[in-house]
Amino acid sequence: KQEVTQIPAALSVPEGENLVLNCSFTDSAIYNLQWFRQDPGKGLTSLLLIQSSQREQTSGRLNASLDKSSGRSTLYIAASQPGDSATYLCAATGNQFYFGTGTSLTVIP
Amino acid sequence: GAVVSQHPSRVICKSGTSVKIECRSLDFQATTMFWYRQFPKQSLMLMATSNEGSKATYEQGVEKDKFLINHASLTLSTLTVTSAHPEDSSFYICSASRGRENSPLHFGNGTRLTVT
Repeated sequence: KQEVTQIPAALSVPEGENLVLNCSFTDSAIYNLQWFRQDPGKGLTSLLLIQSSQREQTSGRLNASLDKSSGRSTLYIAASQPGDSATYLCAATGNQFYFGTGTSLTVIP
Repeated sequence: GAVVSQHPSRVICKSGTSVKIECRSLDFQATTMFWYRQFPKQSLMLMATSNEGSKATYEQGVEKDKFLINHASLTLSTLTVTSAHPEDSSFYICSASRGRENSPLHFGNGTRLTVT
């Protein structure tokens, strides 16, 4: 069974700093790897989707990488802003979705 | 930890039939449940938000008469795809929370629907 782990569980950084969130998965037979953000009391917002044949995806200040052979994905956030404060989730998709437990990010003004 | 069970994990049905997907919170009371779908190679999209005992709030572009959501108890929400068509083939995922502002979301593993 696929297991998805996110490290760290919580992260607090000053505004303007670059940061990296980590996601690891145990089964490399995935269709894609996705990153989401969740704001308190709300549903998920899709950030980036990396197909299994791709190595990275970029959207604005966000860059996500995928290394299937090592079972790892990272989400890089450049020049962090207080509005980036949220919980970030990764999900590995095979025949089912397997979500990580999330990283709670706080960006301090 | 909290567990959300989604059933079935896969379903294949014929065009014109209806399919019901269940989402159960196994060890907590889920005041709020979210339903999402994801078409192949596309992003996860929120379909609707349901609060126990009240009507679901649908996102723009989602037909409420086609995707019937029932959240009659604090541990069960169902999504019924009525008169399914091949274009409804998708991954459907539920998530559940206790409904308080800082409550974490817990996710089902999804249902892969294929309409032939």
